[in-house]
Amino acid sequence: AQSVTQLGSHVSVSEGALVLLRCNYSSSVPPYLFWYVQYPNQGLQLLLKYTSAATLVKGINGFEAEFKKSETSFHLTKPSAHMSDAAEYFCAVSLGRAQKLVFGQGTRLTINP
Amino acid sequence: DAGVTQSPTHLIKTRGQQVTLRCSPKSGHDTVSWYQQALGQGPQFIFQYYEEEERQRGNFPDRFSGHQFPNYSSELNVNALLLGDSALYLCASRTGVRVNTEAFFGQGTRLTVV
Repeated sequence: AQSVTQLGSHVSVSEGALVLLRCNYSSSVPPYLFWYVQYPNQGLQLLLKYTSAATLVKGINGFEAEFKKSETSFHLTKPSAHMSDAAEYFCAVSLGRAQKLVFGQGTRLTINP
Repeated sequence: DAGVTQSPTHLIKTRGQQVTLRCSPKSGHDTVSWYQQALGQGPQFIFQYYEEEERQRGNFPDRFSGHQFPNYSSELNVNALLLGDSALYLCASRTGVRVNTEAFFGQGTRLTVV
């Protein structure tokens, strides 16, 4: 069965600093991988997705993620953090015809002024 | 274009009661999934509906049931509510059953069981 592990339940960075949110997956077959963001009292918004095309995936709001099969990782990065990036971030994996999403526990990103 | 809409936004129920949550998918979408998100946790898959049938189910008891209507909207029903059912319930819609189509999420229904 596939699963996702997000390393670090809480990450704090300064405004303008690099953002790095870690995600490792476990899957017996090539996975589809996603990053979602959740703002307070909101649903989930898709940031980016990996679907076996380019290993470096660019998403919205300046975020990108790199799929590394050898490390079973799909870490999310942004070169320069903005105060509006403060939110909860979820990594998810999907496979199978019914596209069930399996989510990690989430990482809360705090931006310090 | 309205996205995924869920109703109600908040709900308070008593243990043992039954609740129905509703979801209207994004225009053009025909597949609806439901997720439960407990406080401080990631969403957990409950089930998915396509062509008015339950296509896949997560590890949830039979107290959780659903329905999809001909207009693709969906309901989630929970019977015999427990305190542990308190959570944010999210509905997600997409087009068809291809695995890499984007799922759009609603803002959720916050259910509190007292």
